[in-house]
Formats: sequence, C-alpha cells, structure tokens
Amino acid sequence: GAVVSQHPSWVICKSGTSVKIECRSLDFQATTMFWYRQFPKQSLMLMATSNEGSKATYEQGVEKDKFLINHASLTLSTLTVTSAHPEDSSFYICSARDPARESNEQFFGPGTRLTVL
Amino acid sequence: GQNIDQPTEMTATEGAIVQINCTYQTSGFNGLFWYQQHAGEAPTFLSYNVLDGLEEKGRFSSFLSRSKGYSYLLLKELQMKDSASYLCAAMDSNYQLIWGAGTKLIIKP
Repeated sequence: GAVVSQHPSWVICKSGTSVKIECRSLDFQATTMFWYRQFPKQSLMLMATSNEGSKATYEQGVEKDKFLINHASLTLSTLTVTSAHPEDSSFYICSARDPARESNEQFFGPGTRLTVL
Repeated sequence: GQNIDQPTEMTATEGAIVQINCTYQTSGFNGLFWYQQHAGEAPTFLSYNVLDGLEEKGRFSSFLSRSKGYSYLLLKELQMKDSASYLCAAMDSNYQLIWGAGTKLIIKP
C-alpha cells in the first residue's frame, strides 16, 4: 500500500514553455503532498507543501507565480513550471503522507526529470 | 535554527558493517527518518524512530537518542547494491521534514 505515482517520468522542453507534473496517491487519500527539487549531487530541497482545497505553502525563495501548485483532490496534486528556463532543469519529486498511518512517513513518487533546452 | 548533519561520504567493504551518523536540531520533534536514494531515483523509506533505542529490520538497524539529538543507521553484511545515498530527516513540530544533505556510501569488493 501507500503508492505514489508521478507523470511524466521525464520531459524535455524548450525555454519559455510551461510544463505540468502530476503527482497521484494511488491507494490512499493524501490531504498533504510535498514538492521537492533535487539538483545533481545535492539533497532534497522542499519547494512547497500542497494542501487539498487550499493554497500551497511555499518555502522561502520559491516563486509561487513560477511554480504553480494545484491540489484539486485528495489524490492529485500538480506542479506547473511556467516559462521554464534552463536553470529550472532538475529532478522534481513529490511525496505524500497517509493520514491513516501513525508513522508520519512520506511516500515518494518516482520523480520527474525536467530538462529545459 | 533547524539543522541536520551527516557525513558527506563513506566507504566500506562488501560483507562488512557500516554506521552512518546523524545529528539534528529542530523546533520540536516528531521522529527521525532514514531514506535510501540510488542515483537518479526517488528516495525509499528505510526506518522511522520516535522513541529512544534501536530498531532492527533485517540487515538495517536505526538508533535514536532524543536527549542527544543523535541517530545512526547501521548496515550489516554489506552488499554492492547498498551503494547509494542515505538521507537522514527529522520531523519538526509542524510535521515538516528537515533533510540532511545525505551520505554517499561507496561499497568496494
């Protein structure tokens, strides 16, 4: 149980275009999802916390107008990278917490590798 | 401030034992997590400790001392497939994970 999927697994786009990444909890309802970014050989950097039915909470230094987050249902959160530039190329990973579990564990999606040309 | 410290890199021999240490400082505490991450992949859960002591799970064990703000991950009978980064993360009072930079473990034959 507690499986999180992400789509797409990888995407290559031109500079200036927008890219949408989906994060789904497949067998549980996630009231909270997290979006991380990871540059090569660096640790996870939390970008924002996505709450179902309300606005996302962004970490300091993360532009909310550039990284649009929508948590429209208990099983789906989307991250849209608007007007992407080469410096946005990174590994984007979502995670979700199953409120039914006591462990507070975050279950990670497989990640999306974004390359902006 | 909130902070997690763990070694950047460690090297060990196949079949041996290795201990990866982690110290943390957080605003409140709701548990300590260890995740394994292979290159190019998302992290996978290894262990969760919220009470003091040692939790054993097969070849992997995790220890926590809340009074010392200290945890370690112990890997026994090392296999080549254990070569990966090991991420320590502490959960603060807001249930937010504070991540360490990860320890890259290199296993040599």
